[in-house]
Amino acid sequence: GAVVSQHPSRVICKSGTSVKIECRSLDFQATTMFWYRQFPKQSLMLMATSNEGSKATYEQGVEKDKFLINHASLTLSTLTVTSAHPEDSSFYICSATSGGGYSNQPQHFGDGTRLSIL
Amino acid sequence: GQQLNQSPQSMFIQEGEDVSMNCTSSSIFNTWLWYKQDPGEGPVLLIALYKAGELTSNGRLTAQFGTTRKDSFLNISASIPSDVGIYFCAGPSPSYDKVIFGPGTSLSVIP
Repeated sequence: GAVVSQHPSRVICKSGTSVKIECRSLDFQATTMFWYRQFPKQSLMLMATSNEGSKATYEQGVEKDKFLINHASLTLSTLTVTSAHPEDSSFYICSATSGGGYSNQPQHFGDGTRLSIL
Repeated sequence: GQQLNQSPQSMFIQEGEDVSMNCTSSSIFNTWLWYKQDPGEGPVLLIALYKAGELTSNGRLTAQFGTTRKDSFLNISASIPSDVGIYFCAGPSPSYDKVIFGPGTSLSVIP
């Protein structure tokens, strides 16, 4: 089946540090990737939609200058949390699909990145 | 906007018991997706439903697309410890450009 790899799986860093998270589709071309944030015991909250070769679309309330997204190729999207602070600590999950937007192609999820800001 | 509700919020069951959970929406959905999330991992797609009334199985899991198009059910038969996790229902946004997730049902299986 379709495999999505997310790296790193866990990051612990000091406040003020910028952190980059990678999301790769290993065996298919991902025209669209999605970035989610999940707080403990809560559902997945969509942060942004990333389309290859174009600017990401951010959900309401998500600061685009804080969460920089780059989707430079059909197999790689990156999320950079700039100047991270303790309130940015969360579980970040990416997903990828070969369909544009939702369509009828299901999303395949990475295993998430646990970000802890001290 | 569209909202999904799931019930129950959490379940504690004995190994071997059958499980039933449901998902309801404030508006009509044309597709229902059921995902399972193991602790510390990303969600994995279990079953996708595309037609009202559709009943689809995946091993011990069975899901149904409600005839009103505003609900869906997931049943797990003869539960085992590895069924533990959070089960999310999901469906497409009205513009079909993203997926909306329900709040999840947390399942615990007591050996």
